[in-house]
Amino acid sequence: DVKVTQSSRYLVKRTGEKVFLECVQDMDHENMFWYRQDPGLGLRLIYFSYDVKMKEKGDIPEGYSVSREKKERFSLILESASTNQTSMYLCASSSHLAQGQGGYEQYFGPGTRLTVT
Amino acid sequence: KNQVEQSPQSLIILEGKNCTLQCNYTVSPFSNLRWYKQDTGRGPVSLTIMTFSENTKSNGRYTATLDADTKQSSLHITASQLSDSASYICVVSDGNKLVFGAGTILRVKS
Repeated sequence: DVKVTQSSRYLVKRTGEKVFLECVQDMDHENMFWYRQDPGLGLRLIYFSYDVKMKEKGDIPEGYSVSREKKERFSLILESASTNQTSMYLCASSSHLAQGQGGYEQYFGPGTRLTVT
Repeated sequence: KNQVEQSPQSLIILEGKNCTLQCNYTVSPFSNLRWYKQDTGRGPVSLTIMTFSENTKSNGRYTATLDADTKQSSLHITASQLSDSASYICVVSDGNKLVFGAGTILRVKS
């Protein structure tokens, strides 16, 4: 079974803090993704990576950065957290067979609910 | 603009009843359509993936249909159970990018 784990289920941070969200997958997938999910909106892609040290901007990258130093780990960084970044953050991974999001099955982690006060 | 619209936004049904969730999309070109189930506080889990040539696909009590001509899909749940209470998300791929619907929240009550 594919397993995608995220470092925290719930996180509370203050405005201006630097925040790290970690994601680890155990299926040797090349592609990894970070999404945010807000009520009434579909999942929105923040960043994705199709290889170690590679990253691509998604639809809403502003205020975020990412790091992929190892194949199994993909980190999302909020350089200076703001209240409008309060959200559910979901990490996903997929096989390399098609680059980008669209090709193959994505497997999601349980999510991190981040509150910025 | 590529969009995925789901209806209804929310639905309450009695345990044992059937229900159908709708998904309309404007994504082009079309590569595949996926239905995900997301339990509260969890990540989405795939139910089905359908390509252009597939009209119907089943996964246990879940049956998805696709009409690529009218750009519509439905997810039919048979003999609902309390564990079916979740958000159901329709996702359409253009081969490179995924477009997510906002989801339908289903509540099954006893």
